[in-house]
Amino acid sequence: AQTVTQSQPEMSVQEAETVTLSCTYDTSESNYYLFWYKQPPSRQMILVIRQEAYKQQNATENRFSVNFQKAAKSFSLKISDSQLGDTAMYFCAFVDYGQNFVFGPGTRLSVLP
Amino acid sequence: SQTIHQWPATLVQPVGSPLSLECTVEGTSNPNLYWYRQAAGRGLQLLFYSVGIGQISSEVPQNLSASRPQDRQFILSSKKLLLSDSGFYLCAWSVFRQGADTGELFFGEGSRLTVL
Repeated sequence: AQTVTQSQPEMSVQEAETVTLSCTYDTSESNYYLFWYKQPPSRQMILVIRQEAYKQQNATENRFSVNFQKAAKSFSLKISDSQLGDTAMYFCAFVDYGQNFVFGPGTRLSVLP
Repeated sequence: SQTIHQWPATLVQPVGSPLSLECTVEGTSNPNLYWYRQAAGRGLQLLFYSVGIGQISSEVPQNLSASRPQDRQFILSSKKLLLSDSGFYLCAWSVFRQGADTGELFFGEGSRLTVL
């Protein structure tokens, strides 16, 4: 069975600084997607960034980028120029082509003024 | 464009009362539908998922049930609520066609249930 691990339950970062959230996963599949979702205090789940496993190039969305290491089964999220609005729970998620979704336990990120 | 609606947003119910949470998806056909529960400050727990009308898979045995009476409608129910049913419930949908979609889950706004 696939698993997703986020080893950092809580993190904090100063506004305008950079922070990296860690995620590792375990699967025997070769084709899959990886995602980072953000859940602010409103509790709406918002997709931050996605990565197709067959693509070697790391995905980037504005201030958000990932470091995808397929062999190591690692998928970290880097947030540059952190903003107060980035304060949220961040969930790493995996889905295979059979649409079996697996979520990590989440990392609570606080951006400090 | 596709949208997902979930209601009610907030619900306060006494122990032993029934529950009905509804979710509808617009702008797509034959989606996979999911119900998740999230305890305060915790991760997502998959409760039910459905790949088609009348097809429901349960991940966690409990006093909750789900139904899919129409292609884009998903209902979470209980005949008698327990205190432990309190939480934040999220409906989600996905459609995946290899090479055409991005495989992500799209979430509703969530329903906050408090059982007293």
